[in-house]
Formats: sequence, C-alpha cells, structure tokens
Amino acid sequence: GAVVSQHPSRVICKSGTSVKIECRSLDFQATTMFWYRQFPKQSLMLMATSNEGSKATYEQGVEKDKFLINHASLTLSTLTVTSAHPEDSSFYICSGRNSGNTIYFGEGSWLTVV
Amino acid sequence: AQKITQTQPGMFVQEKEAVTLDCTYDTSDPSYGLFWYKQPSSGEMIFLIYQGSYDQQNATEGRYSLNFQKARKSANLVISASQLGDSAMYFCAMRGYNYGQNFVFGPGTRLSVLP
Repeated sequence: GAVVSQHPSRVICKSGTSVKIECRSLDFQATTMFWYRQFPKQSLMLMATSNEGSKATYEQGVEKDKFLINHASLTLSTLTVTSAHPEDSSFYICSGRNSGNTIYFGEGSWLTVV
Repeated sequence: AQKITQTQPGMFVQEKEAVTLDCTYDTSDPSYGLFWYKQPSSGEMIFLIYQGSYDQQNATEGRYSLNFQKARKSANLVISASQLGDSAMYFCAMRGYNYGQNFVFGPGTRLSVLP
C-alpha cells in the first residue's frame, strides 16, 4: 500500500534553534499534504494544508512565520519550526492525499525542545 | 462546521471481551466519510475502518465493526474479542466530501485491555 514517511521520527533541539521535519510520499504523488500537531493526550489538530507549488494554507491560530511549510514537489513537504521554544514540543504528523482522494498518514515526529 | 464528539476519555475492557467506543458527529455536508484510527504509544496513526455516508451496510474489518446510525449521527466502533495489543488511543474522524477535504478528529478514547 501507499506509504508516507516522516523524518526524523524523534528530534531534540535547543531552544532558539530551527528544526525541519520531512514528509515524503514514497509510492504516490501527493498533490496535497496536511500537517497536524498533537499535544499530549489530545486529539490531532490540523495546522496547515499545503498544495504542491503553492503557499500553504494555515489554520486559525497557527503562526505561519513560525511553522514554515514547503511543498516543493509532489513527493515532499517539509515543516520547519523556527526559533523553537519548549512549548513547541509536541508530536507532529503529516498526511498526503493521492489523486484518488485517499489520505495516508506518516508515522509522526516527536519534537522535544530543551 | 464539522465536529466529532467522543464522550469516553478512557475505557477498560477485559481481554477477550467486546467493547464499544462511542462517536457522534455533526456536519452539514451531505456526503462524508467516517474513519476510526488507532494510535499506539509510538504515535503512528493506524487506519482501522471506514464508513461512507451513503453506504447501506455497516462496515466490518476483521474484529472491528462500525455501528453506523445515520439518523442519530453516530458511528460507534465495536472491537470484538479484545486483545492486549488493542490497548491504545482510538480516534474517530470524518471528512466532508462536498464542502471540505480535511479530517476533523475527535478527542480520542484511551482503551486499556486488562489481562
């Protein structure tokens, strides 16, 4: 079946630095990718929707200058957390939608900011 | 607007017993899909079962079945013959196909299977 791969699966970074998370669709072209954030013991919250070759659409309350999303190709979207702070520590997960309108989730990335 | 409600923050079930996880939804979209995902402690989202709003029969996938009651806007997940490996968070989610393409997730239910 289709696979969406996220990298890194776990990352620890220092406060004030930036960290990039990659989301790759391995065997299909994802015209649209979605980025979610999950706080401990809470549901997934959609952060933004990215379409290949265009600017991402951010959900209300999500700082687009802090969470930079790039979707430069049909198989890769990246989320960069800039100037990370401990409160950005969270579980981030992406999903990709194929031409058949099916959505596949990545494995997720645990970010810890120290 | 779309909304998913899961009223059970935590559930316990004895191994080999059946358990029902509740899910109610609200949407103005006439065409939508309902999904259940399992999230173990590793964090990944594992797709379990799907029900389309126009499907006449309730979906079943192995030990998972979806009790879909459209008039009541409920889509409860039934897990039969619970196993210790079923202990996880379970999320109910929906996608509207006419007005929106994104998932809306419920708050989740933490299921603990007791030996």
